[in-house]
Amino acid sequence: GAGVSQSPSNKVTEKGKDVELRCDPISGHTALYWYRQSLGQGLEFLIYFQGNSAPDKSGLPSDRFSAERTGGSVSTLTIQRTQQEDSAVYLCASSPGLAGLRETQYFGPGTRLLVL
Amino acid sequence: GENVEQHPSTLSVQEGDSAVIKCTYSDSASNYFPWYKQELGKRPQLIIDIRSNVGEKKDQRIAVTLNKTAKHFSLHITETQPEDSAVYFCAHAAFGNTGKLIFGQGTTLQVKP
Repeated sequence: GAGVSQSPSNKVTEKGKDVELRCDPISGHTALYWYRQSLGQGLEFLIYFQGNSAPDKSGLPSDRFSAERTGGSVSTLTIQRTQQEDSAVYLCASSPGLAGLRETQYFGPGTRLLVL
Repeated sequence: GENVEQHPSTLSVQEGDSAVIKCTYSDSASNYFPWYKQELGKRPQLIIDIRSNVGEKKDQRIAVTLNKTAKHFSLHITETQPEDSAVYFCAHAAFGNTGKLIFGQGTTLQVKP
């Protein structure tokens, strides 16, 4: 079946503009995660959704970052008033949402964001 | 208490040799330890994982060991091949109602033919 998809694959924006990143999880997966990967770094957790609710938002770096999920499927990550330090690859992952969440997370290809 | 340290940051081996990557964590409540492989420009993919109720798990040329007392876990790749060249990330998940993974900084493995 189809894997996790993300759009756009690349986004170049000017400092101060807002951006929206989209994630389509694997069909039937109730758990969805957003991570950020800066150049040459590991993955940094941002937010976790179970269905449409977000029990863990502890990784969002500032109030400029927000995310929502509707219909238990597609999620959007919004960054307002972008800054140059927001430049990174934003990765989305999904998992079935069972097994106490100790299960494989399947990653999308990521959105590469460049803030000029 | 959530950080994980990963060593080495780079590793170069000759084809056929073994490679070992080590990670140390601090959260004693951690109970799930996956390893991801990320090839250049591609998405991370799970290669093996271990849960805290076992000490070792093996899948063909790949094995992971876990020492809960010392709070460290390791990835072992035997008979390395050029296609094993990639960045490898360890991660752990703490006990609780979240699937949040905390990742190490990554190890760039180069296997020379």
